[in-house]
Amino acid sequence: QQQVKQSPQSLIVQKGGISIINCAYENTAFDYFPWYQQFPGKGPALLIAIRPDVSEKKEGRFTISFNKSAKQFSLHIMDSQPGDSATYFCAASKGGTSYGKLTFGQGTILTVHP
Amino acid sequence: DTAVSQTPKYLVTQMGNDKSIKCEQNLGHDTMYWYKQDSKKFLKIMFSYNNKELIINETVPNRFSPKSPDKAHLNLHINSLELGDSAVYFCASRPQRAGGTEAFFGQGTRLTVV
Repeated sequence: QQQVKQSPQSLIVQKGGISIINCAYENTAFDYFPWYQQFPGKGPALLIAIRPDVSEKKEGRFTISFNKSAKQFSLHIMDSQPGDSATYFCAASKGGTSYGKLTFGQGTILTVHP
Repeated sequence: DTAVSQTPKYLVTQMGNDKSIKCEQNLGHDTMYWYKQDSKKFLKIMFSYNNKELIINETVPNRFSPKSPDKAHLNLHINSLELGDSAVYFCASRPQRAGGTEAFFGQGTRLTVV
């Protein structure tokens, strides 16, 4: 059972363009939605995160849009750069006895062409 | 200065062998995890420890045995290795706080079973 579904699997964008990655979740108990960035040979690193009490969060060129009623959230990368080329994972977790266990989406391989 | 460090980074071994992966975090976090990333880059939690106590075991075969000698260390021992165990294993940690917080990942251990 895939609780967090991510699309697209891969994305090619020109430098300066906007990259958009979408995720949908099923479990309404999730209360924390991070995006992780992973470069080849490295571990995932937190990029930006949002809680369901806000609909949008922006940090620099990265924005999360959150739609609680639709159970969807997305990552927007503005002015995409070749250095943004990486694999991006959305994730979700819930409080309580789950102790912050992350349920990940399938990942999106982003390639930004110069 | 490495926050979450794993050893070894690469591990190549034959089927049937027993091997261990070590993880240490210097962040003072209470909760540590093992995640498995398969060949399709899908990340899935295996175990979680909180203050040396096992709190999550995601139906992992009992050939996998985690051990936490103290809250800064979480090791993973794998008995009777199988070809399907080939993957990248990530250790992660996070502080125990209400609500979601950033999980810090190690650089991964690429296990290849031949």
